[in-house]
Amino acid sequence: AQTVTQSQPEMSVQEAETVTLSCTYDTSESDYYLFWYKQPPSRQMILVIRQEAYKQQNATENRFSVNFQKAAKSFSLKISDSQLGDAAMYFCAYSYNFNKFYFGSGTKLNVKP
Amino acid sequence: DVKVTQSSRYLVKRTGEKVFLECVQDMDHENMFWYRQDPGLGLRLIYFSYDVKMKEKGDIPEGYSVSREKKERFSLILESASTNQTSMYLCASSRDRKNTEAFFGQGTRLTVV
Repeated sequence: AQTVTQSQPEMSVQEAETVTLSCTYDTSESDYYLFWYKQPPSRQMILVIRQEAYKQQNATENRFSVNFQKAAKSFSLKISDSQLGDAAMYFCAYSYNFNKFYFGSGTKLNVKP
Repeated sequence: DVKVTQSSRYLVKRTGEKVFLECVQDMDHENMFWYRQDPGLGLRLIYFSYDVKMKEKGDIPEGYSVSREKKERFSLILESASTNQTSMYLCASSRDRKNTEAFFGQGTRLTVV
């Protein structure tokens, strides 16, 4: 069974600083996709970044980047130059076959001014 | 932009009532999903559908059923609502089986009293 684990229920970061959110997953598949979603207080889930497992290069989207370690089944999200608008719940997700998505329990990110 | 619309943002129902949660997407997506979100548990898949009239159980289907008579609409049905079904319900859609991202609705917070 696929499982996604986020071991940090809550984290805080100072505005303009860098923070890393951790995620590990369990799978026996070799080809799959990983995602980070953001859920602000408005509740609308928004895709932050995605990574195809067959690509060795880590994905980046502006201030957001991932550290994908396939052998270790680790997929962390780094947010650089944190902004107040980055405060939200962040969910790590895994997807394989039929497009089912499996989510972690989430990490609440607080950004301090 | 893809739009996934859930019929209600907040809903209060009585124990034993039959409850319908409606979801509509406007981008001709093949896949649609219903998730339940609870604090500390993340998002758990209730049901998903990969085509009209096609459905598959997710991880927590007990007490729920679904209906997909048209491609754009996916309904979640609580046959006899119970207090342990008080939760946030999120609908999502994705284009096809190629692991493209999931697009989410704004969520329905259901309270069963």
